[in-house]
Amino acid sequence: DTGVSQNPRHKITKRGQNVTFRCDPISEHNRLYWYRQTLGQGPEFLTYFQNEAQLEKSRLLSDRFSAERPKGSFSTLEIQRTEQGDSAMYLCASSFGGAYGYTFGSGTRLTVV
Amino acid sequence: TQLLEQSPQFLSIQEGENLTVYCNSSSVFSSLQWYRQEPGEGPVLLVTVVTGGEVKKLKRLTFQFGDARKDSSLHITAAQPGDTGLYLCAGAERFGSNYKLTFGKGTLLTVNP
Repeated sequence: DTGVSQNPRHKITKRGQNVTFRCDPISEHNRLYWYRQTLGQGPEFLTYFQNEAQLEKSRLLSDRFSAERPKGSFSTLEIQRTEQGDSAMYLCASSFGGAYGYTFGSGTRLTVV
Repeated sequence: TQLLEQSPQFLSIQEGENLTVYCNSSSVFSSLQWYRQEPGEGPVLLVTVVTGGEVKKLKRLTFQFGDARKDSSLHITAAQPGDTGLYLCAGAERFGSNYKLTFGKGTLLTVNP
């Protein structure tokens, strides 16, 4: 297992377009998290899955955002009708438990023009 | 959501110097984690501290958890250019069977040769 994998690494899209990101967690990990990070800030929590169930969503996750984790394996994060304010690094992390640390992927850098 | 404040926000030092960065909160965390993040990459876990007063060493890095489990420090001895990066602290809050991480804004460290 090579860790948490995120695709694509970079995405440039025009305002109003839809985008989808994928995260493949470490296979033994049952918990999967999505975070967003903007320049000069630490990562901000978006949503969390335990197996296939989405158990928590931040108020940052507007109705334009949707996340899925079918069969409790990989996860996708979709942003509809993108806005310039959506430009950020989208980070995925996985863990087994959570109290002792997450393993993050390299992130997807989204630029909305 | 509990807030974590990190200081200093920016730190630029010469190779060989020592430094300390701080992570403070008014609330108690179940555990506190330190991550290091390089540009364009996801955070990488350095250490998790769990017990109040706990001290952990990782080569030239020393991590301390405050007695009341509200604050932590990271001390680097004889800094090297390879230590350059964004240092993030993250507190784990328990929600049912899960732990959610809240991140500070980070300390951006530059070690000049």
